Amino acid sequence: GENVEQHPSTLSVQEGDSAVIKCTYSDSASNYFPWYKQELGKRPQLIIDIRSNVGEKKDQRIAVTLNKTAKHFSLHITETQPEDSAVYFCAASEFSGGYNKLIFGAGTRLAVHP
Amino acid sequence: NAGVTQTPKFQVLKTGQSMTLQCAQDMNHNSMYWYRQDPGMGLRLIYYSASEGTTDKGEVPNGYNVSRLNKREFSLRLESAAPSQTSVYFCAARPAGVVNEQFFGPGTRLTVL
Repeated sequence: GENVEQHPSTLSVQEGDSAVIKCTYSDSASNYFPWYKQELGKRPQLIIDIRSNVGEKKDQRIAVTLNKTAKHFSLHITETQPEDSAVYFCAASEFSGGYNKLIFGAGTRLAVHP
Repeated sequence: NAGVTQTPKFQVLKTGQSMTLQCAQDMNHNSMYWYRQDPGMGLRLIYYSASEGTTDKGEVPNGYNVSRLNKREFSLRLESAAPSQTSVYFCAARPAGVVNEQFFGPGTRLTVL
């Protein structure tokens, strides 16, 4: 089955710096890679996702890159702000009909210091 | 439009007790999911339902059962709770079609003593 590894487990940056979180996956059949943000005590919420037919996707200060050959994908946050502080999870799945079985990484706790 | 709702928010059980976690969605989504979240381990899929009337095992199904009562509701049952099932449980729902996003409920924090 699929296995997703995520690094680092914790990340501390100064406000305005960039943050990068990396994930690797094992199953070459996986073709959908979302990133979720979870604030303390809240539910996970999707912030960006990418399908395997593209190599990069951007949404304002957030971007995700995918390297299918190496089986890894990364989240890039630029110009970080204190409200970016949260736990970020990557996930991978094979898109199958109307459902997808997400396999999550263990998470990265990002702290942005003013 | 409440999205995905879960009850209860908190629960404390003794070892061996049983209980059912309830999940409902008002978004007319086809597939629904149950995850557990433990510190340092991310979210792990327990069971999922691809559509009304079907259920399937995820990564960690042992000790759990599920029921997809109708399109709106997907319940998770612990028949004989164990301390290892202490966790935060999230339900999620996903629409059919090209939108892949899974929408999560607020979670249920379960403690088994």
